[in-house]
Amino acid sequence: EPEVTQTPSHQVTQMGQEVILRCVPISNHLYFYWYRQILGQKVEFLVSFYNNEISEKSEIFDDQFSVERPDGSNFTLKIRSTKLEDSAMYFCASTVQGSSYNEQFFGPGTRLTVL
Amino acid sequence: GDSVTQMEGPVTLSEEAFLTINCTYTATGYPSLFWYVQYPGEGLQLLLKATKADDKGSNKGFEATYRKETTSFHLEKGSVQVSDSAVYFCALSDRGNTGFQKLVFGTGTRLLVSP
Repeated sequence: EPEVTQTPSHQVTQMGQEVILRCVPISNHLYFYWYRQILGQKVEFLVSFYNNEISEKSEIFDDQFSVERPDGSNFTLKIRSTKLEDSAMYFCASTVQGSSYNEQFFGPGTRLTVL
Repeated sequence: GDSVTQMEGPVTLSEEAFLTINCTYTATGYPSLFWYVQYPGEGLQLLLKATKADDKGSNKGFEATYRKETTSFHLEKGSVQVSDSAVYFCALSDRGNTGFQKLVFGTGTRLLVSP
């Protein structure tokens, strides 16, 4: 059964360093998302991506964040200069269509720890 | 903005007990409602969904009914198993300002089932 994969499963970095979180969505999906969950808090929407551009982003998704689909299979989230408060679990998701009825398929997440 | 509130956990039950996890929502318009489950070490998986008022979603013995009058989508199961131990997330779909779906999640409720 097709699934969304994410690498690495756990990333530890120093404050101020750049990190890239990688996701491979399901191959025929067209809409891609990043969410994050700070420990003990809600899963929060970060950004949605369609047709090689951002379709919507949240207030969290500031200039330090960027997304890219560099090669037609990977979907990456880059944080340019990490802060302590970026420590969280980051989930990638994809779906065939952007309709509110369609299931989003999630990856297992990357736990980011910023020291 | 839209929001989801679900009961805090952990919920601890014995095998074959009845399960209820409460979820209420605030939304403008008519969202779709979802329950996602996360087993240890895995991503979020769709458990069930309902796309309009009075719809009942069901899967693997779990049920939830979309109640517009009480803005609720409580998750129930008549007889839980040890294998149901996981974190359960209530979510609604918000079409966002671009028309594409984004999910708004609750904080998640951990269920622990003992033999």
